[in-house]
Amino acid sequence: EVQLVESGGGLVQPGGSLRLSCAASGFTFSSYWMSWVRQAPGKGLEWVANIKQDGSEKYYVDSVKGRFTISRDNAKNSLYLQMNSLRAEDTAVYYCARESEWELTNWFDPWGQGTLVTVSS
Amino acid sequence: QSALTQPASVSGSPGQSITISCTGTSSDVGSYNLVSWYQQHPGKAPKLMIYEGSKRPSGVSNRFSGSKSGNTASLTISGLQAEDEADYYCCSYAGSSFRVFGGGTKLTVL
Repeated sequence: EVQLVESGGGLVQPGGSLRLSCAASGFTFSSYWMSWVRQAPGKGLEWVANIKQDGSEKYYVDSVKGRFTISRDNAKNSLYLQMNSLRAEDTAVYYCARESEWELTNWFDPWGQGTLVTVSS
Repeated sequence: QSALTQPASVSGSPGQSITISCTGTSSDVGSYNLVSWYQQHPGKAPKLMIYEGSKRPSGVSNRFSGSKSGNTASLTISGLQAEDEADYYCCSYAGSSFRVFGGGTKLTVL
């Protein structure tokens, strides 16, 4: 069974840092692009970042550029999101999602169960 | 990177058909046939329902269909069932690996 399990969420003060992890199983992790997508409480979905199979390409939504870093460890079948200089508006459930094996595609399947990040003093 | 525009809510009775629109620009929806649709039940993770505009993943009911005209993509659900009540989101490729989601549509089955 293809599965993604996020961890690392929690309560952090504004300006603080947090590292999210996503453990993948049931598929060849190193063959797929991977993404992080977030959802603020009661709001819609927002794509945050994605990373190519070998980590050589990374893309970010403008609002997190310079603050967040996406990375992966294919030997550990794991995806990460290092979040620095956190702001209240970063409060959201963060989902890990598998993309395609190829570029110029647009789907996320499956998604993890999400991990809640709350930025508050 | 502005969000795609979706109606906040739609409703229909069991057995009826509904359509949810998703309007973007010539830089995203209009430029690529790469719109995907997601269903999200309360407290759950989103589920892929349609990709590349009109393709259904394995296991998704053929009651769900997608289309596109110009800068607007659409999701149609036919033969509405109570279990279809959920939030629906569209997502478009926007160039250089960027993705943009719609604001979401709450579907109520009356």
